[in-house]
Amino acid sequence: QVQLQESGPGLVKPSETLSLTCTVSGDSISNYYWNWIRQPPGRGLEWIAKIYYSGSTNFNPSLKSRVTISVDTSKNQFSLNLRSVTAADAAVYYCARLTPRYVCGSGSYCGDYFDYWGQGSLVTVSS
Amino acid sequence: QSALTQPASVSGSPGQSITISCTGTSSDVGNYNLVSWYQQHPGKAPVLIIYEVTKRPSGISLRFSGSKSGNTASLTISGLQAEDEADYYCCSYAPGNSLYVFGTGTKVTVL
Repeated sequence: QVQLQESGPGLVKPSETLSLTCTVSGDSISNYYWNWIRQPPGRGLEWIAKIYYSGSTNFNPSLKSRVTISVDTSKNQFSLNLRSVTAADAAVYYCARLTPRYVCGSGSYCGDYFDYWGQGSLVTVSS
Repeated sequence: QSALTQPASVSGSPGQSITISCTGTSSDVGNYNLVSWYQQHPGKAPVLIIYEVTKRPSGISLRFSGSKSGNTASLTISGLQAEDEADYYCCSYAPGNSLYVFGTGTKVTVL
C-alpha cells in the first residue's frame, strides 16, 4: 500500500522559507510524478508543483518564482521550498502521487489524476 | 488560470441522487477526457473517487459516477448516504498553462 507522509515546521515567520519533505513508502519514487498541493483554511485546493525522479519539474505559474522542488531517490523523498512567505501562504500542504497523462489508445489519453495523498501538514505563517 | 466552477453547495435526502457540475473551458475540461474528482471529509486528505471522467478506483462505491459534455464535467451520487456528506472537488490539466486546476469545491449536505 502506497503511503505518503509530510514533515516539516508547522510555523514559519513572514519573509522566511517554508520547507517540507514528503516520504514515500510502498512504492519507489522512481515511478510516477510527485506533487505538492495546498489548501488554505476553509478554501479550495491549489496545485503547486510536480517532480519526476529524474528531476524534471513543472510549476504553477503563480508560484513559480518562489518555489523549489527536489527529489532524493536514495531516501524515497521529495521536498518543497517556498520562499518569502506571507500570511497568504498559510495552508495545509499535501504531497500526492500523480499518475501522468499517457497515450492509451488511438488518439486517446489516460492518466492525469492524483491517486495517493499524504495526510497533510498545517503550516502557519506568523512572527 | 481560473479555478473550475462548481456550485458552492448541493443537498439531498438519503436515498436521493444529486449531481455536481464542474465547468471549465476548452483549454482544460474540454481539452481531454481526463477530469478527476476528489472527496474530502473535514480534517482529512482528499480521496480520488473518479478519474478519466468516468472511471472509479478500486474500492469506490458504484454509487459514484462521472460524465462530461463539452466544457462541463459532472459527478452524480446515487442513493445518497450520510457518509457522503463531504466536500467534492473536480480537477483537470490545463495544457495551455501547464498546470493542474481544481474546482472551487462543493459542499454536499445530506438532509
